[in-house]
Amino acid sequence: ETGVTQSPTHLIKTRGQQVTLRCSSQSGHNTVSWYQQALGQGPQFIFQYYREEENGRGNFPPRFSGLQFPNYSSELNVNALELDDSALYLCASKRDLGDTEAFFGQGTRLTVV
Amino acid sequence: SQQGEEDPQALSIQEGENATMNCSYKTSINNLQWYRQNSGRGLVHLILIRSNEREKHSGRLRVTLDTSKKSSSLLITASRAADTASYFCATGPSGAGSYQLTFGKGTKLSVIP
Repeated sequence: ETGVTQSPTHLIKTRGQQVTLRCSSQSGHNTVSWYQQALGQGPQFIFQYYREEENGRGNFPPRFSGLQFPNYSSELNVNALELDDSALYLCASKRDLGDTEAFFGQGTRLTVV
Repeated sequence: SQQGEEDPQALSIQEGENATMNCSYKTSINNLQWYRQNSGRGLVHLILIRSNEREKHSGRLRVTLDTSKKSSSLLITASRAADTASYFCATGPSGAGSYQLTFGKGTKLSVIP
């Protein structure tokens, strides 16, 4: 149990739709990252938020966006869904930016049809 | 893009045997971490080794790091059926402002009772 919870656990969306995934970090954790894990692959870094501001981004298009809130919750929004967006989306929180250990949630399985 | 490459992709052993997984990476790193993932769910942090360390132990886990060869290995001794999972190495890059973990594709370990 990492203390990081994600919702929903599963989601099915239609191509072209928009989706919002949610993550609740451990209390006191001011850094949250989001990862996309396609089937059979390792997680790929989408972006990181530190104290409610994006401070790092991987190789993902702008239709992937996020928010981090003062209550240690965060969101990942994906617009104009494509079939290739089908994946497990993981959030990971850290106590502080410089910490090395990240605590992962159980993920949201998104299927785009 | 994936930084690390685990080897083998899949490993099947009998309970009680040792399991060895290898990871190679491409760029300079600050640290290397190993994570475990059960059935495509959340990642659990196992162990971290810093770039100036060569070997580290935690319970039945032993990790080695060879920065000259850009490789690491994870040894699980006296394996149990409950060790069945996918194992990923993840590198934390060196340099100011580094934030993301870069994962390999993972090794799928099956421990047969």
